[in-house]
Parts: sequence; structure tokens; C-alpha cells
Amino acid sequence: DSGVTQTPKHLITATGQRVTLRCSPRSGDLSVYWYQQSLDQGLQFLIQYYNGEERAKGNILERFSAQQFPDLHSELNLSSLELGDSALYFCASSSPTSGSYNEQFFGPGTRLTVL
Amino acid sequence: GQNIDQPTEMTATEGAIVQINCTYQTSGFNGLFWYQQHAGEAPTFLSYNVLDGLEEKGRFSSFLSRSKGYSYLLLKELQMKDSASYLCAVRPEDTDKLIFGTGTRLQVFP
Repeated sequence: DSGVTQTPKHLITATGQRVTLRCSPRSGDLSVYWYQQSLDQGLQFLIQYYNGEERAKGNILERFSAQQFPDLHSELNLSSLELGDSALYFCASSSPTSGSYNEQFFGPGTRLTVL
Repeated sequence: GQNIDQPTEMTATEGAIVQINCTYQTSGFNGLFWYQQHAGEAPTFLSYNVLDGLEEKGRFSSFLSRSKGYSYLLLKELQMKDSASYLCAVRPEDTDKLIFGTGTRLQVFP
């Protein structure tokens, strides 16, 4: 158990809908990262927040948005869902003061299925 | 551009040694990570290299050559539970994000 929690574990929805994925980082970690993992692709970095502020952005679609709240939990919002958005969505957290190498600790993921 | 290459699949026998290679081309370099991921589960941290050379950690070792843009993960005394995907990831300079390769799926047979 990494200490990172994600809800829900599974999500099934229809095209055109909007969903929200939630992540709570490890205690004390200020950085939260979101990754997408599709069947035929590796982990793709989407976005990073650090202490409530956006720190880095990857190949995140305009239909996707995220935020980090004062209690450091984060939400990833996916809208106008398409079949191709079906994937595992992982949240990870890190902190320069925890972990020997500022390594990222991953949550169990949310499996999103768009029908 | 940023590119990380790993073999897609490898097979090995229980008790044997296997080496999983990773080559990378990234804009700047601030460390290379190896993660293990069992199917449908979260990636878990295995090793980190930022300087050239070998880092040993029990049955697992990782090597880095920055001049060649090359790393490998060495798994010794393979066990059935080592069947998993192994992900190579590079942290570019001036950022905390990770760029992942597509992963190497290792199957260990009895």
C-alpha cells in the first residue's frame, strides 16, 4: 500500500458524459501527478500540481481539467467523454522530503470504461 | 523530442537471470527510474540512477550510462512472482514529471 488513495476504483459511463476522479496523496506529499494508461500505450503524464498550483502539463486534452484543493487532495475532471478515453487513470504523489529520490508513489488507479 | 525504448516482451525461467534494457533520448536528464507493475495494479518503485554505474538492491540491480542514453534492470534468481511489466522512466531536467517507456512484460516460467 503506497498511501495514495483513489476513488472510484471502477467507473463505467457513456460517451458525451462527464466524470470526476479523486485522489488523496500520501501524508505530507505536496505534489500530485495524473497519468493515463491505455492498453496499447505506456503511462502518459497528464498534469502535476504542487501545493495547490499547477506545476507541469503534459499531453492533457482540453476536455480534461484538474485541480488540487487546500487539503492537497486532487480531482481530475473528464468531460465530453469519447470511447478512446477508456483507460486506467493513475494518481501519484511525491515530496522532496520523503522518499530517498523524490520518487513518485502511485495510487491503485481508476479504471474508466466509456461505452 | 523525448523517446524511451524497451523491448515489449521477454520470457525467462525460474531461478535464472534476466536483463531488461532501456534506451532514452530526452530533453535534459535528472534521473532514471525503474518501476514494476503487475497487471491492473499500481506501478511500484524499484530503483533510481542519476550517476553512471550500477546500483544493487537485493535481487535487483540497475545500471546507467548517461553518455549512451542507456540503462538496464537486472533481475537475479527469478521467481514466479517477478512476472510483471517493468517500466523505465526518465525525469527530464528542471521538472518532477516522469516520461515512461511502454514497459517490458516479463513472463517467468517454472
